[in-house]
Amino acid sequence: AQKITQTQPGMFVQEKEAVTLDCTYDTSDQSYGLFWYKQPSSGEMIFLIYQGSYDEQNATEGRYSLNFQKARKSANLVISASQLGDSAMYFCAMRERQRGAGSYQLTFGKGTKLSVIP
Amino acid sequence: DTGVSQDPRHKITKRGQNVTFRCDPISEHNRLYWYRQTLGQGPEFLTYFQNEAQLEKSRLLSDRFSAERPKGSFSTLEIQRTEQGDSAMYLCASSLYRGTDTQYFGPGTRLTVL
Repeated sequence: AQKITQTQPGMFVQEKEAVTLDCTYDTSDQSYGLFWYKQPSSGEMIFLIYQGSYDEQNATEGRYSLNFQKARKSANLVISASQLGDSAMYFCAMRERQRGAGSYQLTFGKGTKLSVIP
Repeated sequence: DTGVSQDPRHKITKRGQNVTFRCDPISEHNRLYWYRQTLGQGPEFLTYFQNEAQLEKSRLLSDRFSAERPKGSFSTLEIQRTEQGDSAMYLCASSLYRGTDTQYFGPGTRLTVL
């Protein structure tokens, strides 16, 4: 089973509108972290927002917010007031606490390609 | 802060040749990670260092791959006897073992094996 599922291969949004990118995850750990990254065509992965499994409030960073529903194991990214520069691939990722290994590798989904239309 | 840097940005090589990539993490970050990303996929974990110690390696990291982080600063990833299946973007990330331990990525090295 995939640990991170992003069901929307591509999304279109009108400039200045809000858009939600879906992410569901699978883990048996109680302690984990969820991340969203943006990858423009240049290739660099840009960190957007983080949500810890014990955080009671949904994370927000400027125009980005994370709709965290722990019971449903979903961590959707909401981008408000979309801009042309938001056109990119968006990846959801999870960091689990590996028992005994102390590793903090990220597991990524396959991404969603967002296109902002003028 | 200066971000994560990687060199070279692009590498074209012939099958069977050896290649080496370099990653310079954000200064004071004690954790460094290598990922590989193929077309249409998210990055996949390869290996991870805490300071100079290589603490974990993925099964994706075959015997032809080796990574080092001497002195706990920059890191190198070497691929010996390259194969066409090694063509991918190789991403390096670093983090500070504190707080959210967020990983910050470099621009990547795009490898093409002919």
